[in-house]
Amino acid sequence: DAKTTQPTSMDCAEGRAANLPCNHSTISGNEYVYWYRQIHSQGPQYIIHGLKNNETNEMASLIITEDRKSSTLILPHATLRDTAVYYCIVLLNEKLTFGTGTRLTIIP
Amino acid sequence: NAGVMQNPRHLVRRRGQEARLRCSPMKGHSHVYWYRQLPEEGLKFMVYLQKENIIDESGMPKERFSAEFPKEGPSILRIQQVVRGDSAAYFCASSPQVSGNTIYFGEGSWLTVV
Repeated sequence: DAKTTQPTSMDCAEGRAANLPCNHSTISGNEYVYWYRQIHSQGPQYIIHGLKNNETNEMASLIITEDRKSSTLILPHATLRDTAVYYCIVLLNEKLTFGTGTRLTIIP
Repeated sequence: NAGVMQNPRHLVRRRGQEARLRCSPMKGHSHVYWYRQLPEEGLKFMVYLQKENIIDESGMPKERFSAEFPKEGPSILRIQQVVRGDSAAYFCASSPQVSGNTIYFGEGSWLTVV
């Protein structure tokens, strides 16, 4: 199984870029990397996903290393509303398997 | 999260009663997933369904739990003879097809067993 490893928690100052790392060293060539976040008591919110190339949307950027063994989610200008648990997930067997994620706290 | 509709949002059941949770996927989505989140824990996969078929139920408890996704209508997660340990948030997600597509989640149904 392509499992992921993320730091348990991180802090980031409001207005700064938040860079959330994820290791997925056993990822296979056709497995996508997905990022979701969960704000307390809400449903998981899709952020971004990618296969090989870097991706950007209105919420974030996803940087995937050339060997695909790790990736970084970048929130370019963090706000207090970005405080949440962020999950990096490799889609395996057609289902998302959530780990423990990174608890990101944005500091005013 | 827009588009995946779950109801009821909150449900209270006495021990031994049945709970039925409904999920209407986004328009055009034929794949549905159910996840459970116990208090202060992570999301655990329960079941993956396509129209009229259960594809993967490896996360479903062996007894009392069942799921369906009929040709017409919402997906239903059914819990029979509920116990206090079933108290949790149940999230539904949907996608048009899996590989490379976005899987969207609903806002969840909170079940409380008293």
